[in-house]
Amino acid sequence: AQKITQTQPGMFVQEKEAVTLDCTYDTSDQSYGLFWYKQPSSGEMIFLIYQGSYDEQNATEGRYSLNFQKARKSANLVISASQLGDSAMYFCAMREALSYGGATNKLIFGTGTLLAVQP
Amino acid sequence: NAGVTQTPKFRILKIGQSMTLQCTQDMNHNYMYWYRQDPGMGLKLIYYSVGAGITDKGEVPNGYNVSRSTTEDFPLRLELAAPSQTSVYFCASKMRGSSYNEQFFGPGTRLTVL
Repeated sequence: AQKITQTQPGMFVQEKEAVTLDCTYDTSDQSYGLFWYKQPSSGEMIFLIYQGSYDEQNATEGRYSLNFQKARKSANLVISASQLGDSAMYFCAMREALSYGGATNKLIFGTGTLLAVQP
Repeated sequence: NAGVTQTPKFRILKIGQSMTLQCTQDMNHNYMYWYRQDPGMGLKLIYYSVGAGITDKGEVPNGYNVSRSTTEDFPLRLELAAPSQTSVYFCASKMRGSSYNEQFFGPGTRLTVL
């Protein structure tokens, strides 16, 4: 069965420093996708970044980058130059693999990491 | 576009009551999903739909029902509310096509069952 593990319940980081949020996944499929979402205290889910299993380069979106290590089954999120507004819950998620009849694109979520950025 | 909208934002139910959580998207997305998020946890899939008239169970479907009569709407029905259903419920949608496309989430409905 597919599974996402986020081992850091909470983290502190100083403003303007970089921080890495860990995510490991478990799947026996060759084709899958990995997502990171941000959930601020207001509760909405905000998409940050995506990495496909066949993408050779690590995904980047502004200050966000995904450190994808396929052999180790890890997809860590790196936030550079942290800002106070980055304080939020961060969820790693995996899209189920393609199956006969097409993908349903269901997402499996980890338990999240609460990031607190300190001034 | 309003994106994904959910109503109500908050609701308190008594044990045994029923209610429908509404979800509407105006992006013409084929795929729609219902998740629940328990305190301090990640999201778990309740039900999903790949198009009008087609629904299927997710990881935690017990105690819920869904219907998808139109592309836009995907209501979630709770028949006999139980305290274990106290949670935040998120509706999401995704366009058909590239599996790259992310799911767009609604603002959530916070439900308390007492």
